[in-house]
Order: sequence, then C-alpha cells, then structure tokens
Amino acid sequence: QKEVEQNSGPLSVPEGAIASLNCTYSDRGSQSFFWYRQYSGKSPELIMFIYSNGDKEDGRFTAQLNKASQYVSLLIRDSQPSDSATYLCAVIGNQFYFGTGTSLTVIP
Amino acid sequence: ETGVTQTPRHLVMGMTNKKSLKCEQHLGHNAMYWYKQSAKKPLELMFVYNFKEQTENNSVPSRFSPECPNSSHLFLHLHTLQPEDSALYLCASSPGLAHTYEQYFGPGTRLTVT
Repeated sequence: QKEVEQNSGPLSVPEGAIASLNCTYSDRGSQSFFWYRQYSGKSPELIMFIYSNGDKEDGRFTAQLNKASQYVSLLIRDSQPSDSATYLCAVIGNQFYFGTGTSLTVIP
Repeated sequence: ETGVTQTPRHLVMGMTNKKSLKCEQHLGHNAMYWYKQSAKKPLELMFVYNFKEQTENNSVPSRFSPECPNSSHLFLHLHTLQPEDSALYLCASSPGLAHTYEQYFGPGTRLTVT
C-alpha cells in the first residue's frame, strides 16, 4: 500500500468551474498535510498546508482534512487556465511522503 | 523564486564520470533535503540534514554521496551512476524538522546519465 495515493488524472474542468483534487494516506499518525503545484518542467511550489480537521481557505483555494477517513482534498474555485498543472499531496508521518500527483487541465 | 538555488540546471554525464550538484538556500533555514523525481513516480526522499548533521539516508546507493558543510549549502556528489539514475534532482529546505514546517524547493537539476 502506498503511503499517499492520488488519482493521477488527467482531470479536466472548464474555466470558472470548481476543481476537486483528492488524496488519501495510510499513516493514521500523520500530522501535517501540504498541497504543492508543479508546472511542467518546474519544481513543486507550496500552495497550502493544513493541520487540523475541517476546512482552510486561502483565496480561491480550500484545503479540507478528515483525519478519521484519512483523506485530504484541495478545491480550486473559479478555475483558470493558469491553474493547469500537476498537484502533489504531501503528508508528514514518520517522514515526508509525496503522492504521484494529479494532472489538472483547465479548458478555456 | 523560493530562495533555494541549484546548479547546474542540466547535467549530462557518462557512467564513469564524477560530478557534483550544488544547492544553496537564502532563507535562514536549518534543514535541507535531497529528492529524486522520476516520471510517474512520487518524489523520493534521499537525504535529510538538520543543522548540517545527516538525520536520514533512505537506503540510497553509495554512488550518491551528500555533503552539508553548513546550514545554507548542500551538495550531492555523483560517481559511477547508472542510466536509471537519470531524473530530476530537487533540493529543498525548511526552518527545521518539526512536522509543521513546510518545505521550499529549488528549481532542480535535470540529470541524464548516458
């Protein structure tokens, strides 16, 4: 079982729609959760982090954490073509684990 | 710009060569990391340094040798690599190792082993 699992996609949404990205993790002791955005040929860029159950909002981005169900999600509202990238979920348990990423395409 | 720089950005080397990757962070962080990113695979943590002391070595082959002379600089020395070592090598830093600390990545070195 992988420590962090993400649907590889590709996920396509029209411009202006809500994009929903999901991530599950196996280590119940995980404490911190991060979302990174990675454009093709570039390095990962931190978007959001969340430590507590519930929602955390930052601009058009909302991170949601449910520790009982061991999943974390990222919602992108009013999706823009510039949001087209691969989104990596990262979890800190015993160490820093990354998922393989979900490729998102926002269609103009 | 994240405050983490890496050189070179691209490297092509033969299997008998010796080369080094360099990483420098200007964020005042105390922890630094080396990751390997291959296509269709999750980021693989290779080495972790905290206050220039190695705290983690994730079963990395000895042909990869890290060096951390101080909290701002990190090197990865390469020798007798294999073609399957071709990948994007990413350096990252964080304020410390506490679970609340996010990591900031450098631009990476695209390594090709021929």
